[in-house]
Amino acid sequence: EAQVTQNPRYLITVTGKKLTVTCSQNMNHEYMSWYRQDPGLGLRQIYYSMNVEVTDKGDVPEGYKVSRKEKRNFPLILESPSPNQTSLYFCASMGRGGDTQYFGPGTRLTVL
Amino acid sequence: QKEVEQNSGPLSVPEGAIASLNCTYSDRVSQSFFWYRQYSGKSPELIMSIYSNGDKEDGRFTAQLNKASQYVSLLIRDSQPSDSATYLCAVRAEYGNKLVFGAGTILRVKS
Repeated sequence: EAQVTQNPRYLITVTGKKLTVTCSQNMNHEYMSWYRQDPGLGLRQIYYSMNVEVTDKGDVPEGYKVSRKEKRNFPLILESPSPNQTSLYFCASMGRGGDTQYFGPGTRLTVL
Repeated sequence: QKEVEQNSGPLSVPEGAIASLNCTYSDRVSQSFFWYRQYSGKSPELIMSIYSNGDKEDGRFTAQLNKASQYVSLLIRDSQPSDSATYLCAVRAEYGNKLVFGAGTILRVKS
């Protein structure tokens, strides 16, 4: 089954404790992206990757890091989480020349 | 000014009625326009895309685009309770893959 997976789905952590949210897709897609969704603000892009080893900042990159060492994986790293990073996070992927972004199930992160 | 604007709603319509969802965007060079549906607690899923002025129909859904007015809409005919969700408008610029999303409109279809 073609899908985008994210782990964990739910996470409660404390300020300053490094964490990684994993994202993996099995559709051989070149493009991958991370979004955060907050009430009243919609989906905002954090980082995106056009292909392996090619990443770039989105609209709200502060406090986040990403890497793209393999085509299928695009982890989101929070080196020192803060309460303002409490949000719902979505990973998405899209094939070359495609128009449909396929979203993962989401990760609900709470930073205390 | 937000790049993509939608009325947050909620928009309430009776079952069987036409639901009309609207979206305006600020970037005149935008070329591709999308409507995503998001059920509570779920991820967004693409339901319609439109690229040229006019109407595009797919089943009970019709997307309408007016680039001169920088306006895109989604009509849902014969609305069903299962259509109750948040509808996200997304716009893609002329180049690149970046999507800019509106905050979404909550639709409630009452049986």
